[in-house]
Amino acid sequence: GAVVSQHPSRVICKSGTSVKIECRSLDFQATTMFWYRQFPKQSLMLMATSNEGSKATYEQGVEKDKFLINHASLTLSTLTVTSAHPEDSSFYICSARVGSGGGSYEQYFGPGTRLTVT
Amino acid sequence: DAKTTQPNSMESNEEEPVHLPCNHSTISGTDYIHWYRQLPSQGPEYVIHGLTSNVNNRMASLAIAEDRKSSTLILHRATLRDAAVYYCILLRWNQGGKLIFGQGTELSVKP
Repeated sequence: GAVVSQHPSRVICKSGTSVKIECRSLDFQATTMFWYRQFPKQSLMLMATSNEGSKATYEQGVEKDKFLINHASLTLSTLTVTSAHPEDSSFYICSARVGSGGGSYEQYFGPGTRLTVT
Repeated sequence: DAKTTQPNSMESNEEEPVHLPCNHSTISGTDYIHWYRQLPSQGPEYVIHGLTSNVNNRMASLAIAEDRKSSTLILHRATLRDAAVYYCILLRWNQGGKLIFGQGTELSVKP
C-alpha cells in the first residue's frame, strides 16, 4: 500500500511557541490530504481537508488561524500549530487519499505526531 | 454525517474467525462502507471498503447485507497482531468524501 510519513514523530514545545508538522506521501501524489487530531482514549477528529494549491477547508469548531495548513505540493502538506497551549497537546495524524473518487478509494494514514505543550 | 453503530468491544481467540458487526440503517444509495483499524499509538490502517457486493482482500472480507443497513467485517484467522480498534465508516462522496470516525470496536485477541 501507499506510504505516508510524518515528521516529527514527537515534539515537546513551550506554551506560546509554534510547531510545524510535515506530512509526506512517499510513493504517490496526493491532491487531497486530511488532518486529524486524537486525544487519549478517544476517536479521531477530522480537523481539515487540504487540497494541493488551494486553501484548506476546516471542520466546524476548528480555528483556522490557530491551525495553519499548507499543501504546497502533491507530496507535502504541513500543519502549523500557532501559539500552542497545553490544551493543544494531542496526537496529530495526517492522511492522503488514493483512488479514482466517488467513494471507492483508499485512505492512507501517517504514523502520527505526538505534540506535548508544556 | 451518516451514523454507524458498533459494539464497544469484542474478544476473540487466536486463530479463530472474527465477525465484527456494524449497523448503518441511514445509509444512502451512494454511500460506501469503509473499514479501518488502529493499533495503539499508530495511525489508522485501511482494511477494506465496498458498496453493495461482498468484498475480499488479503486482510479481510466484507459482507454487506442485501438492504445495506448492516455489514460485517470478517477476519478469517485472528492473530495477536489483529488486536486493534476497528472503525466502520460511511463515506459520502457528495459531502466531501471525508472519513468521519466514530468510536469503533476494540478487538482483543487471546492466545
